[in-house]
Amino acid sequence: AQSVTQLDSQVPVFEEAPVELRCNYSSSVSVYLFWYVQYPNQGLQLLLKYLSGSTLVKGINGFEAEFNKSQTSFHLRKPSVHISDTAEYFCAVSAYSGGGADGLTFGKGTHLIIQP
Amino acid sequence: GAVVSQHPSRVICKSGTSVKIECRSLDFQATTMFWYRQFPKQSLMLMATSNEGSKATYEQGVEKDKFLINHASLTLSTLTVTSAHPEDSSFYICSARDGQGVYGYTFGSGTRLTVV
Repeated sequence: AQSVTQLDSQVPVFEEAPVELRCNYSSSVSVYLFWYVQYPNQGLQLLLKYLSGSTLVKGINGFEAEFNKSQTSFHLRKPSVHISDTAEYFCAVSAYSGGGADGLTFGKGTHLIIQP
Repeated sequence: GAVVSQHPSRVICKSGTSVKIECRSLDFQATTMFWYRQFPKQSLMLMATSNEGSKATYEQGVEKDKFLINHASLTLSTLTVTSAHPEDSSFYICSARDGQGVYGYTFGSGTRLTVV
């Protein structure tokens, strides 16, 4: 089984400042890693994903994340945030079972609040 | 890109009635669909996984007789909440594994179910 820990339930940041949302995971097997964004009463939109290869992954809307296997982390970063980035962010993992992917295991989410 | 359409977006039903939620993949074949439940200000919890033409696999603690899942075609999966009660009120989100296999999970926009 896998688990995901998002240490910060809420992160307030001033507009145009950098931000890092933390994510740590636990798994006994290899995993794929994802970051999703959710706006109120909407589904999830994929920001980026790590499957293999380069540990620095670039996503949409200027976000990037770095996979650190030794620290079992996949922190999300953005160098300069905008008001429109205010949303809930979820880190998720999926076990690579060889024959196909399992459902996603999500962290509890981090509410990013951008202050003007 | 891959699109998943989920309907209805909101539904209010009386206690004791049944509600059906549809999830359609519009431009790809979804061999696997996942159903999640999200309580207010909480994370998504995987309820069940369905493969086209097979019985759904339910997560521990999810009543299969209450949450009926049908995945009769490669583009449609339905979740029926039977004999709904107020505690079933929640946000239900479907996700489809797209044509890239393990490389993507596309989410529907969610259904807000309120049982009165």
